[in-house]
Amino acid sequence: EDQVTQSPEALRLQEGESSSLNCSYTVSGLRGLFWYRQDPGKGPEFLFTLYSAGEEKEKERLKATLTKKESFLHITAPKPEDSATYLCAVHDKSGGGADGLTFGKGTHLIIQP
Amino acid sequence: ETGVTQSPTHLIKTRGQQVTLRCSSQSGHNTVSWYQQALGQGPQFIFQYYREEENGRGNFPPRFSGLQFPNYSSELNVNALELDDSALYLCASSLNGYEQYFGPGTRLTVT
Repeated sequence: EDQVTQSPEALRLQEGESSSLNCSYTVSGLRGLFWYRQDPGKGPEFLFTLYSAGEEKEKERLKATLTKKESFLHITAPKPEDSATYLCAVHDKSGGGADGLTFGKGTHLIIQP
Repeated sequence: ETGVTQSPTHLIKTRGQQVTLRCSSQSGHNTVSWYQQALGQGPQFIFQYYREEENGRGNFPPRFSGLQFPNYSSELNVNALELDDSALYLCASSLNGYEQYFGPGTRLTVT
């Protein structure tokens, strides 16, 4: 059974204070690892897809990296508008892509001015 | 490019009733997946539709059912509502099941 564990559950940072969010996963075969941002009461917003170990992707102040067992979302010099819940999800090859994404519980990030 | 839309935004139902939620997929996408998200949890996969057929299902009972139409829009139907069905219901569309883009969700409250 696929498992995704995110840590920490919550993180409070000062504006400009860089940090990293962790996503550990267990899958039969990784088809893709996804990062989403979710604001309260809204649907998840797509950020990144990573497909293989060693891959990295960047968008503004965010950078996602992938190893065979975990992924990190690095946030550089965050701003208050980066406050949100960040969700990690995996897509398993074994279901042929028809078994949906398995999500972690998310990291609730608060950036204080 | 039109994103994923869902209706209604909010819904209040009584235990035992039936509900239908609707989703319009993003332009160019042919696959729709539905998820249930309880408060403080990550979304949980309900099922996926591809070319108007159910293409995969998570650990949800048969009273959760769906449809996909020729224009790739979709419906989620839930029969015999229970209090635990109260959640945010999310629809996501994709091309052939790859990168999934989510709609804003429907907040369902069962009393």
